[in-house]
Amino acid sequence: GQQVMQIPQYQHVQEGEDFTTYCNSSTTLSNIQWYKQRPGGHPVFLIQLVKSGEVKKQKRLTFQFGEAKKNSSLHITATQTTDVGTYFCTNSGGSNYKLTFGKGTLLTVNP
Amino acid sequence: DGGITQSPKYLFRKEGQNVTLSCEQNLNHDAMYWYRQDPGQGLRLIYYSQIVNDFQKGDIAEGYSVSREKKESFPLTVTSAQKNPTAFYLCASTQPQHFGDGTRLSIL
Repeated sequence: GQQVMQIPQYQHVQEGEDFTTYCNSSTTLSNIQWYKQRPGGHPVFLIQLVKSGEVKKQKRLTFQFGEAKKNSSLHITATQTTDVGTYFCTNSGGSNYKLTFGKGTLLTVNP
Repeated sequence: DGGITQSPKYLFRKEGQNVTLSCEQNLNHDAMYWYRQDPGQGLRLIYYSQIVNDFQKGDIAEGYSVSREKKESFPLTVTSAQKNPTAFYLCASTQPQHFGDGTRLSIL
C-alpha cells in the first residue's frame, strides 16, 4: 500500500471548537477511507472518497479529497465530547486488497 | 447479528509459548485481515487473505502465522519467534473494513 501521513498526531480542543485532521501522500491515491476509533474500542468506518475534489458531509463532519488525489481532510464543526477518539485515514493499494493506515490523529475534547 | 467475532478478549502468554487468536465472521466476506496496534500507534498489517486457502504477508509478518481453511475463519498464531508480542490485535474483513472487538495480548 501507499504511504499516508497524518497530521497532527494529537489535537486537544475545547468543546464547541472546530477540528481538522489531514492525510497526505506523495503519490496519487486511488481512494481514501476514514475511520474513527473510540478509546478502548475498534475502528469504525466513516466514509470513502474516490473522486478528485470530492466533498462529503455527515452531520458536523466534512470530508474532502484533493483535486490531485494526494491529500484528504476531515473537518469537525463545533466539536462535542462524543467526538473524542482517534481518526485514521487509509488507502488501499493497487490490488485493492492491501490497506495502509496512517498513524491517526487523537482528538480530545475538554467539556 | 452479522459481524466479526474475536476471542479471547484478553490473552496472556508465557515466554516461549505459541498462542492462537481466533477470528470468525458470518458476513460471507472473502477478504480478511489481521492488524497489530501498539499504544498510541496506528494499525500495522500482519497478514491478509483474499480467498480461502490463500493469504499474503503484510508489513510485519515475522513471528506470526495464519491459516484460511474456511471462509468464516482466519486464526492468527503468535509464535515464540515474535519477541515483542504485547499489543492489541484486530481482525477485519473486506473493504470498507469491518473490525472485531480485538484481543489484547500480554506477556507474563
